Amino acid sequence: DQQVKQNSPSLSVQEGRISILNCDYTNSMFDYFLWYKKYPAEGPTFLISISSIKDKNEDGRFTVFLNKSAKHLSLHIVPSQPGDSAVYFCAAGGNEKLTFGTGTRLTIIP
Amino acid sequence: DSGVTQTPKHLITATGQRVTLRCSPRSGDLSVYWYQQSLDQGLQFLIQYYNGEERAKGNILERFSAQQFPDLHSELNLSSLELGDSALYFCASSGGGTSAKNIQYFGAGTRLSVL
Repeated sequence: DQQVKQNSPSLSVQEGRISILNCDYTNSMFDYFLWYKKYPAEGPTFLISISSIKDKNEDGRFTVFLNKSAKHLSLHIVPSQPGDSAVYFCAAGGNEKLTFGTGTRLTIIP
Repeated sequence: DSGVTQTPKHLITATGQRVTLRCSPRSGDLSVYWYQQSLDQGLQFLIQYYNGEERAKGNILERFSAQQFPDLHSELNLSSLELGDSALYFCASSGGGTSAKNIQYFGAGTRLSVL
């Protein structure tokens, strides 16, 4: 049972445009959500998080939106830069373990 | 650099063998987590230790075991290895307990190939 789903395995975006990565979850007990970025041959790196009491959190070029009624979160990157090319994992949890999605490979086209 | 160190980076072994993966957490972090990432899969949580004690358990096979030592480093032992155990194994650490609010910092992983 996959409780956190990233339905797009890959996404290509032109440099300078907005990248939108999506994530759906099924467990209504999740109250904290995170995005991690992973480059090849490296471990995942924490990017941004959001608590269920909020619907938006912004950090520079990165914004995470949470729609609790739809059990959906998204990561917006604007403007997209070549260095943003990586695999992005969303993760969700509460007082228990984190559950990760399968990742979306983002490619920024110069 | 996340501050989490995993050794070795690569491991090639044969079916039926036993291996040990090692993880040194960030300085001061009490929690260590182990994850498995198979091809095109997400990170599957295996087990968490907090200050030497097992705190949470995920989809960890009985052939796998882990421990956290007094100096807080952790080892993941994989035995009776099968071809399907070939994967990337990540260790992460955080300062607190199991809550998702405790940001986890990941090592670079150990790539295990079982031939």
